[in-house]
Order: sequence, then structure tokens, then C-alpha cells
Amino acid sequence: AQSVSQHNHHVILSEAASLELGCNYSYGGTVNLFWYVQYPGQHLQLLLKYFSGDPLVKGIKGFEAEFIKSKFSFNLRKPSVQWSDTAEYFCALTLYNQGGKLIFGQGTELSVKP
Amino acid sequence: DTEVTQTPKHLVMGMTNKKSLKCEQHMGHRAMYWYKQKAKKPPELMFVYSYEKLSINESVPSRFSPECPNSSLLNLHLHALQPEDSALYLCASSQVAGQETQYFGPGTRLLVL
Repeated sequence: AQSVSQHNHHVILSEAASLELGCNYSYGGTVNLFWYVQYPGQHLQLLLKYFSGDPLVKGIKGFEAEFIKSKFSFNLRKPSVQWSDTAEYFCALTLYNQGGKLIFGQGTELSVKP
Repeated sequence: DTEVTQTPKHLVMGMTNKKSLKCEQHMGHRAMYWYKQKAKKPPELMFVYSYEKLSINESVPSRFSPECPNSSLLNLHLHALQPEDSALYLCASSQVAGQETQYFGPGTRLLVL
């Protein structure tokens, strides 16, 4: 079955540190990839997405992600985190011809110390 | 505007009650979704509506009954729920039910006593 794997369950960083959250998926066909963020008490928001083209995609709030097809990976990065980045981060994908089913990873909780 | 609205924000119900959750979007999207999210877990897909027709039911118990009265509205009717059904219920929409971006509402936090 198709799946999404996020390696880190909980990441703790100090402000200004660099961030990289890992995401791998298991599916050999065409996928669309997403990173969503859920701030405490708020709803899921789209950070960025990859459909095709340039494998380095930029999103909101200074986040970017790189799609590496050979590694089935879509890691999220930010050069310098802020306390306001404290949130739960979900990697997700949709598959071609699967009716819109969004498959989520288990999530990574990011805590940024001021 | 990428707004999906959901009412109510919070709901407490007994196991014998009947209640409904509502979701609305005015983005012209033709696909709408219900997800269930437990604390510290990712959302799990329950139902997909495509052009007002139910296209995916992820083996959800019949005590959850979805309804799509028109392309902008999505309801989830609840009856005889169990305490383990307590969760955050999220609605989402996308242009079509494919690989498009899904936009999520704020959710209804449900507590079943």
C-alpha cells in the first residue's frame, strides 16, 4: 500500500537554527506532494506543493522543499526558524487516479525555543 | 479566497443524540471531503464527494452519514456515536477530486459522552 513516512516525530530547535524535516513515500507512479502545517489550535494550512517542473519549490513563510524522485523524498527546509514556526508539520501526497485521497505522514511536531 | 467554513466549532453530544456538522465553501470547488483527526495524529479520510455524488467511503461506520445538498455545502449527520468517535472533524475542498490541492476548514471538535 502507498505510504508516507516522516522520520522525526518531535524536533526541538532554538530560534535561528536551520530546519530540515524528512519525508519519504512509497509509490512508483506519479504523485503530487504537499506539506501542510497545523499551528496550535488552528486548522491545516498549505505550506507548499509539488506537482511537476522545478523540483525545488518555495512556499509561504520562507519554507522550501526539494523533490528527489530517485530517493522518493520531499524534505522540507527553512534556513532560520522562528518561535512562531512551532507547529505540527504533515507531509502528504495524492496519487494519480485515486479520486483525491490525500495520504498523510504521521506528522512532525516542531518546537522552537525563543 | 481559499476559505472553508465549518459549524459548529465545538460540539458535545450524548451517545443517543442526533447532530449534524456543516461545511461550506464558495470557491466553486466540485470536490469536498470529510476527515477525522485524533490528537497528535494525521487526518484520516472518511468520505469524498465529487460533483455532489459520494465517490469514496473509507469503510466508515453507518452512524456517520454524509450529505451533499449542493456544490457548496457538505453535511455530516451523526447518530448513536461512541466515545471513541470524539475527535476533530475536518472538511476540505478542492477544484476536482483528483490530485488537486485540498483546502481545509478549521474543524469541529466533537466530544461524545
